[in-house]
Amino acid sequence: GENVEQHPSTLSVQEGDSAVIKCTYSDSASNYFPWYKQELGKRPQLIIDIRSNVGEKKDQRIAVTLNKTAKHFSLHITETQPEDSAVYFCAASRDTGFQKLVFGTGTRLLVSP
Amino acid sequence: DGGITQSPKYLFRKEGQNVTLSCEQNLNHDAMYWYRQDPGQGLRLIYYSQIVNDFQKGDIAEGYSVSREKKESFPLTVTSAQKNPTAFYLCASRTSGSSYEQYFGPGTRLTVT
Repeated sequence: GENVEQHPSTLSVQEGDSAVIKCTYSDSASNYFPWYKQELGKRPQLIIDIRSNVGEKKDQRIAVTLNKTAKHFSLHITETQPEDSAVYFCAASRDTGFQKLVFGTGTRLLVSP
Repeated sequence: DGGITQSPKYLFRKEGQNVTLSCEQNLNHDAMYWYRQDPGQGLRLIYYSQIVNDFQKGDIAEGYSVSREKKESFPLTVTSAQKNPTAFYLCASRTSGSSYEQYFGPGTRLTVT
């Protein structure tokens, strides 16, 4: 089955710096890759996702890139702010009509003022 | 925080007791999911349901049971057979339409002593 690895497990940056979180997946048939943000004690919320028919997607300060050949995808956050501090999870699934997400183990991002 | 609700937020039980976690959604979503979240392990799928009266085991179903008698409700029972039940449990739902987003509930933190 699918296996998703996520790195780093923790990431500390200064406010205004960029942050990059990387994930690799094992199932070459996976074609949907979402990123979820979970603030302390709260529910995970989708922040951006990408389908395998595109290589990059941007939404204001966040972007996701996908390399299907290498089977990895990354989350990029620019101009980080303290409110970006949270745990970020990547996930992967096949687009088979029913979505079974396999999650990475999470990255704790800390943005210091 | 409407849409998908879980109750209670915190639950304490003695070892050997079964306990049922509630999950309700008013989003008219067909698919519903239960995940378990442990520190450093991301989200792992316990059970999922695509339609009423139908559900399938996820990756870690042993010691758990579910029912889907109504579209809006997908309760999870943690049985005494679950060897390590203390965890944070998240319910999610997703429409069967073109949107791929899974919406999460606020979670229930179960502590078994």
